[in-house]
Amino acid sequence: AQSVTQLGSHVSVSEGALVLLRCNYSSSVPPYLFWYVQYPNQGLQLLLKYTSAATLVKGINGFEAEFKKSETSFHLTKPSAHMSDAAEYFCAVTGSARQLTFGSGTQLTVLP
Amino acid sequence: DTEVTQTPKHLVMGMTNKKSLKCEQHMGHRAMYWYKQKAKKPPELMFVYSYEKLSINESVPSRFSPECPNSSLLNLHLHALQPEDSALYLCASSQDREGQRRQFFGPGTRLTVL
Repeated sequence: AQSVTQLGSHVSVSEGALVLLRCNYSSSVPPYLFWYVQYPNQGLQLLLKYTSAATLVKGINGFEAEFKKSETSFHLTKPSAHMSDAAEYFCAVTGSARQLTFGSGTQLTVLP
Repeated sequence: DTEVTQTPKHLVMGMTNKKSLKCEQHMGHRAMYWYKQKAKKPPELMFVYSYEKLSINESVPSRFSPECPNSSLLNLHLHALQPEDSALYLCASSQDREGQRRQFFGPGTRLTVL
């Protein structure tokens, strides 16, 4: 079975500041991990994915995430926040089954 | 083409109506999914089709009836819905094989049940 915990349902940062969204996972098998972003009234867009290759994964829009097996973490970062980054972010995990298990989501607010 | 399309974008229906949501992909994916998403919540899996056969039904009420006519199309038939069924309904697809677990999501259908 797999599960995901996202710490912080709301995160606020100033424009230009570091973005850090936290995700911890639990999986009985080597996990596939994903970060999705959702803008209001839209579907989910993949930011990046980890599939057992490089532990540092680079995604779209300047985001990246590091897989740390010892900490069971897959935190999402971006060096400099932009107003357009304001959205809901979901971490998700899938293991041997085809089911995607989502975290509860983190609403990112970017302050001018 | 890396797109999943969904129609309609918005749907308002009464509790006695029958309507259908449609989803289409042309990426050759053999797994297709329906999710329900309430406001400020993560998507909840409803159904999974693999090679056009229903493989997962997450104890969804029978007023929701999925159908997969072919490998590119996925429908969700709605009948006698309740106001609490109002939500964003997302369709997704994936290649459904080891190492290819990424799911591609459509833009969703915003359903309002009156």
